[in-house]
Amino acid sequence: GAGVSQSPSNKVTEKGKDVELRCDPISGHTALYWYRQSLGQGLEFLIYFQGNSAPDKSGLPSDRFSAERTGESVSTLTIQRTQQEDSAVYLCASSAGQGGNQPQHFGDGTRLSIL
Amino acid sequence: AQSVTQLGSHVSVSEGALVLLRCNYSSSVPPYLFWYVQYPNQGLQLLLKYTSAATLVKGINGFEAEFKKSETSFHLTKPSAHMSDAAEYFCAVSDGTGANNLFFGTGTRLTVIP
Repeated sequence: GAGVSQSPSNKVTEKGKDVELRCDPISGHTALYWYRQSLGQGLEFLIYFQGNSAPDKSGLPSDRFSAERTGESVSTLTIQRTQQEDSAVYLCASSAGQGGNQPQHFGDGTRLSIL
Repeated sequence: AQSVTQLGSHVSVSEGALVLLRCNYSSSVPPYLFWYVQYPNQGLQLLLKYTSAATLVKGINGFEAEFKKSETSFHLTKPSAHMSDAAEYFCAVSDGTGANNLFFGTGTRLTVIP
């Protein structure tokens, strides 16, 4: 496809379970971002990957959150021992580079609900 | 540090009326500014971007925004609202350095009244 693809589109799980969210960026995009969109918090930056450089994890809210990316392709965001406050929409974005004039293109997100 | 403030969490306009969504930014360096639109259950779609070229930026769907450094503003406008413009709009800023991650405003929900 031409756009950023995220899966699953919806995920409902019980508190304490681990979840894994997937993002397929636009082909050729070297930069990949994860954001979280939640009520009352707006859109928050989580983590950033650029090529083979070490990721910028400065936005991850706790050590229960981690993310991986293989080269310049798929990324997975993992949340361990989920809590109810993790309920949110998780958005992935990619861009052609890290320059400020490179817009980020977003997927439709994964809506995560923790029961 | 970068941040944006969107004045008005909800804006209602009549169909055919002017749309004005306000955004003020704070940045320690010349900023890159973006407007995104989000329709229900969808991701964010780029409307337009300012990257230090022309101060009046035209985007998709008839929207435009003007960068005013003296006012630290980047308000979004459209001359005539259409029903399909009903959505949530986010202003975002980046300094273009490091991770270049975006700092978003809290969003403005636009309602268009028939």
